[in-house]
Amino acid sequence: DTGVSQNPRHKITKRGQNVTFRCDPISEHNRLYWYRQTLGQGPEFLTYFQNEAQLEKSRLLSDRFSAERPKGSFSTLEIQRTEQGDSAMYLCASSSYRGNMETQYFGPGTRLLVL
Amino acid sequence: GDSVTQMEGPVTLSEEAFLTINCTYTATGYPSLFWYVQYPGEGLQLLLKATKADDKGSNKGFEATYRKETTSFHLEKGSVQVSDSAVYFCALTKINNDMRFGAGTRLTVKP
Repeated sequence: DTGVSQNPRHKITKRGQNVTFRCDPISEHNRLYWYRQTLGQGPEFLTYFQNEAQLEKSRLLSDRFSAERPKGSFSTLEIQRTEQGDSAMYLCASSSYRGNMETQYFGPGTRLLVL
Repeated sequence: GDSVTQMEGPVTLSEEAFLTINCTYTATGYPSLFWYVQYPGEGLQLLLKATKADDKGSNKGFEATYRKETTSFHLEKGSVQVSDSAVYFCALTKINNDMRFGAGTRLTVKP
C-alpha cells in the first residue's frame, strides 16, 4: 500500500491555458474523489467515481472542468481555459466502499497557480 | 444541507498544554465523523474517526467522542507537542455522500 499519489505536486500556468492533473489511488480502492481547497478553507467536494463511473458532480465543477477515470484505476482532472480563480490546491482521495462504511485517504495534492 | 462548524483559530499553546478543538455538525440521519490533520505543504491525513453515537476515536494521543445529543465531535489531547502544530479539519460523511469539511483550525505549539 503506497498511498494516494498525485502529479504534478505544483503547477504554474498562464490564464487561458489548459492543465491536467493525475491521481493514482490506493490499489483496489473502488472510489475516487476530487476536492478543491483554497487558502484558509477546508476542502470542497468536486466529483467522485465508483470504479469508472462518475456518480456525482458538484455545482463547483463548471463545464471547464472534466474528470475521467478510465478502467477504474487512475483519474485525471482537466481544467480548460484556466482562470485566476482556479488557483487552489486540488486534492484526490480514494476509499474502499463496502456497504455502509468508508474512510477516505488523501493524496498530497496538486497546487495550481494561475497567473 | 449537512455541514460542520469548527472553532476558529488560530490556537497557540505551550508544549504539554491541554488541547480542545470544538467541532459541531448539522446532518440528517447518521453521519460518520472524522478528524483530519494537514501539515504544511502536505495533503490531509486521517487522524481518527467514529461511525456511531458514543463511539470514541483515538490515535496518537488524540481523542474525540461522537456525541449525538450535542451534535459534537470535539478533538482533545492531554499534552501537545511542537510536532502537533498543523491544521486540523473536522469532517462528516454519510453513505453515498461526499465528505463535508469544517474550515480548519490552525494549531501552533510553542516549546
